[in-house]
Amino acid sequence: DTAVSQTPKYLVTQMGNDKSIKCEQNLGHDTMYWYKQDSKKFLKIMFSYNNKELIINETVPNRFSPKSPDKAHLNLHINSLELGDSAVYFCASSQDWLAGGKETQYFGPGTRLLVL
Amino acid sequence: GQQVMQIPQYQHVQEGEDFTTYCNSSTTLSNIQWYKQRPGGHPVFLIQLVKSGEVKKQKRLTFQFGEAKKNSSLHITATQTTDVGTYFCAVTDSWGKLQFGAGTQVVVTP
Repeated sequence: DTAVSQTPKYLVTQMGNDKSIKCEQNLGHDTMYWYKQDSKKFLKIMFSYNNKELIINETVPNRFSPKSPDKAHLNLHINSLELGDSAVYFCASSQDWLAGGKETQYFGPGTRLLVL
Repeated sequence: GQQVMQIPQYQHVQEGEDFTTYCNSSTTLSNIQWYKQRPGGHPVFLIQLVKSGEVKKQKRLTFQFGEAKKNSSLHITATQTTDVGTYFCAVTDSWGKLQFGAGTQVVVTP
C-alpha cells in the first residue's frame, strides 16, 4: 500500500494549458505539502496545509492554487502553464506541523511536468 | 528563511571508497534531517539529529551533528553502487518549514 500517492506520474502539456495534480496520503497525517524540484535537484516548498487549512504559502505565482478537500488529500491546480513550470512536483505529508517541524516528511513518487 | 550550504555538490566515488558530505549553517540549528533521493525517485527520510555532538549510525552511514549545532556531516564507508543518489540535509526554520540544502549528487564507479 502506497503511503503517499500522486497522479499523474507524468504530465506533458502545451504552454497556456491548465492542469491539476492530485495527492493522497493514507498515513493519517494532519499536514501535507507541495514541493517543486527543478532541473538542478533543488527542492523548494510551495504550500503546506494542516488539517485542510493553508499554513504555508511561499512566493508562488497565483497561477498555482492548492486545494485540500480533506486532510488526506491535497491537490494542485496550475493555470496558464509556462515553460518555467517544467519540474518535478512532490507531495509530502507529516504527522503534525504544530509539533514544530521536527517531523519526518513522507514524499510521494512525484509528478514530472513538462511544458512545451 | 533558514539557509544551509551543502558541499560538495557532486561526488564521484570509486566503489569501496569512503566519502563525506557536509551541511553548514551560519546560525544554530534546532535539528537537522537527512534524506536520500535515488535517481528518478523521491526523497526518503534517513535520520534526524537533535542533540549537540550527536552521532548516529545506520550500517555504513554515520551521521554527525556538530557541537555548536551549526553543521552536520554524513560519512559513508565502503561505498556501494546502491549508495548512488542525491543526499539532502534539511533544517527547520523559525516558521516550522523544512528548508532543504542543495544536495550532494553521488555517482559510484564500479
